[in-house]
Amino acid sequence: EVRLVESGGGLVQPGGSLRLSCVVSGFSFSNYLMHWVRQVPGKGLVWVSRINSDGRTTSYADSVRGRFTISRDNAKNTLYLQMNSLRDEDTAVYYCSRGTFYAMDVWGQGTTVTVSS
Amino acid sequence: QSALTQPPSVSGSPGQSVTISCTGTSSDVGHYNCVSWYQQPPGTAPKLMIYDVTNRPSGVPDRFSGSKSGNTASLTISGLQVEDEADYYCTSYTTANTWVFGGGTKLTVL
Repeated sequence: EVRLVESGGGLVQPGGSLRLSCVVSGFSFSNYLMHWVRQVPGKGLVWVSRINSDGRTTSYADSVRGRFTISRDNAKNTLYLQMNSLRDEDTAVYYCSRGTFYAMDVWGQGTTVTVSS
Repeated sequence: QSALTQPPSVSGSPGQSVTISCTGTSSDVGHYNCVSWYQQPPGTAPKLMIYDVTNRPSGVPDRFSGSKSGNTASLTISGLQVEDEADYYCTSYTTANTWVFGGGTKLTVL
């Protein structure tokens, strides 16, 4: 069974940092591009970042570029999102997803990040 | 990176067909055949329904179909069923090597 399990969310003060993890199983992680997508409760999906299969190429949404860093450890089947200089507007549920044919074919259940003083 | 434009809501009766539009620009929807659609019932993670404009992943009913004309992509659901009620999102790859989502459309099955 293909599974993606996010963790690392929580409550953090504005300006703080948090690292999200996404552990995958059931498929060959090192063969796939991976994404982070976020969603404010009650609002729409917003693409955050992606990393290619070998970790050498990344891209970011304008709203997080320079503050967030996506990375992966193919030996540990784990995707990461390092989030620095967090803002109130970063509060959301963060999903990791597997990339296929320029789409996102498998999703985790999400981890909640709350930025508040 | 402006969001793609979707209607906030659509509705239909069981058995009817509905179409959800997704309008972008020549830098995203109009540039690539890389539009995908997702279904998200309340409280759940999104599920891929259509990829590369017209393709259905295994297990998705053929009642779901996709198309594109110019800068606008569309998702059509025929033979509406109660269980189709959910939020639907489109997304497109862009010339900036990023992805952009639509604002989402709430489908109500009356």
